[in-house]
Amino acid sequence: DAMVIQNPRYQVTQFGKPVTLSCSQTLNHNVMYWYQQKSSQAPKLLFHYYDKDFNNEADTPDNFQSRRPNTSFCFLDIRSPGLGDAAMYLCATSMVAGVGTDTQYFGPGTRLTVL
Amino acid sequence: GQNIDQPTEMTATEGAIVQINCTYQTSGFNGLFWYQQHAGEAPTFLSYNVLDGLEEKGRFSSFLSRSKGYSYLLLKELQMKDSASYLCAVKDSNYQLIWGAGTKLIIKP
Repeated sequence: DAMVIQNPRYQVTQFGKPVTLSCSQTLNHNVMYWYQQKSSQAPKLLFHYYDKDFNNEADTPDNFQSRRPNTSFCFLDIRSPGLGDAAMYLCATSMVAGVGTDTQYFGPGTRLTVL
Repeated sequence: GQNIDQPTEMTATEGAIVQINCTYQTSGFNGLFWYQQHAGEAPTFLSYNVLDGLEEKGRFSSFLSRSKGYSYLLLKELQMKDSASYLCAVKDSNYQLIWGAGTKLIIKP
């Protein structure tokens, strides 16, 4: 089945210790997104890639970086995690950008705990 | 600013019908999405509306009124597995998705 895969599902890190979350997709979609979602809040868009074109949201902290080495994979790097970065990190994909009907499909998420 | 409003929490009975409302104020409109999100899991796509009216898909229906900036998700014949959060999201003039915080739906036997 075509899908969006995220690893790991659960990640525990220490305050200030860098962490990398990964996402892969077999849907052959052009666009990939990283969201941060805290409990009972709306997903917050951090980055998105249209193919290899990188788009950083204006209010995404510098502590967060992303890489998309090829169309199937995308990584989220948190350089120095703080307690406020504990959240669910969701990866999503969509076929194209700039089209109203384009639907985003989500991976299962990585829950990050910062000790 | 851009804003999506949904009730924080609703409770309904198994077998009944529930309507979850969403109002929005966005810069432009290119469609409205409803997603279902079970606790600790990722959102899954339910419906998309871009024209006024009702879209029916099995037990779930979604309605849109663009002039009123209003949508609702209607769930019929509620089942215990429908206990989840339901998120409303609107695509603005830049085709960016603006998300609501979601409505937590609790189903009681």
